[in-house]
Amino acid sequence: NAGVTQTPKFQVLKTGQSMTLQCAQDMNHNSMYWYRQDPGMGLRLIYYSASEGTTDKGEVPNGYNVSRLNKREFSLRLESAAPSQTSVYFCASSENRLEAFFGQGTRLTVV
Amino acid sequence: DAKTTQPPSMDCAEGRAANLPCNHSTISGNEYVYWYRQIHSQGPQYIIHGLKNNETNEMASLIITEDRKSSTLILPHATLRDTAVYYCIVRVLANDYKLSFGAGTTVTVRA
Repeated sequence: NAGVTQTPKFQVLKTGQSMTLQCAQDMNHNSMYWYRQDPGMGLRLIYYSASEGTTDKGEVPNGYNVSRLNKREFSLRLESAAPSQTSVYFCASSENRLEAFFGQGTRLTVV
Repeated sequence: DAKTTQPPSMDCAEGRAANLPCNHSTISGNEYVYWYRQIHSQGPQYIIHGLKNNETNEMASLIITEDRKSSTLILPHATLRDTAVYYCIVRVLANDYKLSFGAGTTVTVRA
């Protein structure tokens, strides 16, 4: 099993460009999450999807949109990237709010 | 969610037990204590969780005080690969999806 797979692993964007971060899990989990981690800081929740067909805002949703495409996939979109969105983005999944499994992260730089 | 307090850093000798404290004096009766760790540049990894009783799994033991105001994560025989940031989190399992990661404790295991 691959667990939680994120693509791409690295990305450099220019200010104002858009992009979509992809996340897929193969554990048949109901819930999926997007977090960001800035240098030297803990993770902050951007959006989550409790189950297929639902999405909710987390702590820092501004500037982002999400799509729960199906049970496996949860994407995060930056419509107009800003330097403040330079961060490492982690996707995670869990079953019934128990232990969460995280991907390896997408390192995004906005210049 | 209740707030947690952890020491910012600690050292441990390889092969010895590492005891990581966490204070959660405002924890409520339905909040669980979770521990995650994050090895450099990787996604967080679930370690263990508990409500009242002490818990043990293949990775660690969790000791929760009788009043539940503090807990200790024990890594029984620390190895160099246990060097990581360790996060203590409290959350209500029944209705809470997000994990609130604070600054954690940076644990350095030394040979």
